[in-house]
This record gives sequence, structure tokens and C-alpha cells, in this order.
Amino acid sequence: AQSVTQPDIHITVSEGASLELRCNYSYGATPYLFWYVQSPGQGLQLLLKYFSGDTLVQGIKGFEAEFKRSQSSFNLRKPSVHWSDAAEYFCAVGASYQKVTFGTGTKLQVIP
Amino acid sequence: GAVVSQHPSRVICKSGTSVKIECRSLDFQATTMFWYRQFPKKSLMLMATSNEGSKATYEQGVEKDKFLINHASLTLSTLTVTSAHPEDSSFYICSARVSTGLPYEQYFGPGTRLTVT
Repeated sequence: AQSVTQPDIHITVSEGASLELRCNYSYGATPYLFWYVQSPGQGLQLLLKYFSGDTLVQGIKGFEAEFKRSQSSFNLRKPSVHWSDAAEYFCAVGASYQKVTFGTGTKLQVIP
Repeated sequence: GAVVSQHPSRVICKSGTSVKIECRSLDFQATTMFWYRQFPKKSLMLMATSNEGSKATYEQGVEKDKFLINHASLTLSTLTVTSAHPEDSSFYICSARVSTGLPYEQYFGPGTRLTVT
């Protein structure tokens, strides 16, 4: 069965610092991978997705992620974090029957 | 584009009553919609997959008689929580897949906060 692991439950970074959120997946075939962001009390917004092709994908709000098949990873990065980036981030993998399996999320705190 | 709405955004009901939550795709047709439940500080748990014009497919452990799902049109799916109890209190999120889109590409609604007293 497919699964997603986000090893960091909570991360704190200073505004302007770089960010990397880790995501590892387990899936038997070529994965479809996603990163979503959720602000408190809100739904999920798609940041970026990987289906095929270039392993470095660009998303909205200055985020990017790199698919590394050998490491089964899809880490999310941003070179300079803004206070408005504070939120919960979910990595997800596309599974069978169109279902998406989500990781447990990483809560990002940004300090001035 | 690809906007999904949910109504209501927040609802409080008494134990034993039923609550209906609507999920609408506003600017696209969605043959498939999904209903998730999110517990505090937890990830999203898929409850069921809803296909237009057919019965929903429920995930293991989800009571289909308690969580009634209807997908009557290509733009509307409803989740009815029947005989709600305090343990049903949660954040419910729907998503919709674009009919002509890539597999797995889903757009999420803003969620509905259900509180059962």
C-alpha cells in the first residue's frame, strides 16, 4: 500500500531564511506527488505537483520541490520564507482508484 | 478556475439531529468528488469517493448509513451526517476531480467545521 512520511511535525524558521520540508513516499509504481498548504480553519491549496518529466517542479508562492526516485523523496523548498508562509504543509501521493494518500503534515512557524 | 465551495462553513447541531454539507464545483464539472475528515492536528482521512450518478464508495471503517453521500449532478455532492453525536465533531473537507483533468488532480473546498453538542 502507498504511504507518505513527513518526519518533521513542526518546524520553526526565521523570516527570510531558507526552508526545506521533507517528504518520503512508498509506492510501487511511478508516483504522482503533491504538496498542499493549509491555513488554520481552511481547506487545502495545491502548491505544486509532479506527474512526470523534469524532476524539479516549480509551484506557486515561490515554492519548488524535487523528485528523487532513488531516495523516494519529494522535498519542498523555498529560498526565503515570508511570515505569510506560516501554515500546515501536506505531502501527498496519488494512489490507486484516483485516491490520494496524505502525510501527517508539517506545521511551519515563522519568527520575525 | 477550478474552484470548489462548501456550505455551510461552520455548523453547530444538537446530538441526534442530521446535518447536510454541500460541496460544489463552481466552474468545472466533476465526475468524481471525495469526502475527507480531518481531526485536530491530524492528516486528512478519506471517507468516501463519490461518483456522479452512482453509489459512493466508502473507505473501510466508515459507516455508510451514518455518512450519506449523494452526487446528484456533475457539480454537486452532499454529505449528510445522520443522527450526529459529539464524536462526529470534526472538520470535513471535500475535493473534486476535474472530469477532463489529469489523474489524481483534485481541488479542495474550504472545509466545514461540524460541532455536535
